[in-house]
Order: sequence, then C-alpha cells, then structure tokens
Amino acid sequence: GENVEQHPSTLSVQEGDSAVIKCTYSDSASNYFPWYKQELGKRPQLIIDIRSNVGEKKDQRIAVTLNKTAKHFSLHITETQPEDSAVYFCAASIRVYGGGADGLTFGKGTHLIIQP
Amino acid sequence: NAGVMQNPRHLVRRRGQEARLRCSPMKGHSHVYWYRQLPEEGLKFMVYLQKENIIDESGMPKERFSAEFPKEGPSILRIQQVVRGDSAAYFCASSTPREGIHNEQFFGPGTRLTVL
Repeated sequence: GENVEQHPSTLSVQEGDSAVIKCTYSDSASNYFPWYKQELGKRPQLIIDIRSNVGEKKDQRIAVTLNKTAKHFSLHITETQPEDSAVYFCAASIRVYGGGADGLTFGKGTHLIIQP
Repeated sequence: NAGVMQNPRHLVRRRGQEARLRCSPMKGHSHVYWYRQLPEEGLKFMVYLQKENIIDESGMPKERFSAEFPKEGPSILRIQQVVRGDSAAYFCASSTPREGIHNEQFFGPGTRLTVL
C-alpha cells in the first residue's frame, strides 16, 4: 500500500517569513495530492490540492509543487501570518476516471508555529 | 448548504460497551470515508462506502469494527466491545465525482471517543 512521509514534524518561523513542508510517497500510481490544515480540536480543512498532470499550483500565499519522478511534493506558504499556525497534513491517493476513489493516505503532520 | 455532519461530537463508553458513530455526508454526496486519528498523529483510513455498498475496508480492524451506509439515513461506524485503545477522534469525509473524477474530500467535525 501507499506510504507517505512528511517532514519536518515541527516548524517554527518568524511572522512574514516563508514555510516549506515536504512529503514523499511510495506508490507511483498515486495521482492526487491534497494538503489539509487542522487547528486544535477542529476538522481537517482542504487548503490546496494538485494532480499528477500538473507540476505546480498556486493560490494566493499558498503553493504546492510536485515532482513525479522523485515522488515528492511540497507545500509553500509565503508571508506567514499568526493565523497560519496549525498542523498541516499532506496526503496521497488514486483518482480513477469513471470509477471510485480510494481513501487518502496521510502523512503524520507538521506543527507549524508562527512566531510574532 | 450544510457540510458533513457527525454525531455525537463526544462519546464516552466503558470497556466492553458498544459505540455507534453517525455521519451524514454533504448534500448530493454519495461516497463516505471514515478515518481514525490518534492523539498527536495523522489520520488513518479505515473504510470507504457508497450507498448500500462497502468499497474498501482494508484499513478497518477485522474484529469488533463494522460500517454501513444504508439507502436511507446516515453512515454508521460501529465498534463493539470497546477497549481503551479505541479512544481516538473518528472523522468521516464525503465526496462526489465531478466530470467523472472524484475530487476533494470534505471532513466532518469528528466524534471524540473516550473509553474508560
């Protein structure tokens, strides 16, 4: 089955600086890579996702890059703000046209701390 | 535009009792996923269901755990004879295909199960 590794487990950055979180996956058939943000005691919320036919995707201060050859993908947050403090999870799964979609395999999470 | 609903939000059971967790997917969504999150860990896929059909239960323990998604009503995750190790947050998520491909999974608020 799929295995997703995520690093670092904790990341502390100064407000206004950039944060980068990296993930690797094992199953070359995986083609869908979402990122979720989870605040303490809350539900995971999708912040951005990318499919394997795209190398990069950006949404305001958040961007995700994907390297299919190396089987790794990264989350980039620029101009970090205090409200970015949360746990971030990467995930991978297989999406099949006309068929179902398997469950997400999650990384263990990165606790992002934004220092004022 | 109600999101994914889960109840109860908190559930306390004594060892040996049964726990029933309910999930109502977003309106129009016909696919439900259940995940378990242990403290300080990522989410682990348990089971994927469509109406009246279990698609993938590879992440669910063989003993004591079962899931269903009937034609009418919510999806139910049932844990029989609970043990302390079952204490966790249980999240469900729902999705629906768009242009033949499943996209993001939307998560519910979770049920926090505590086994005494």
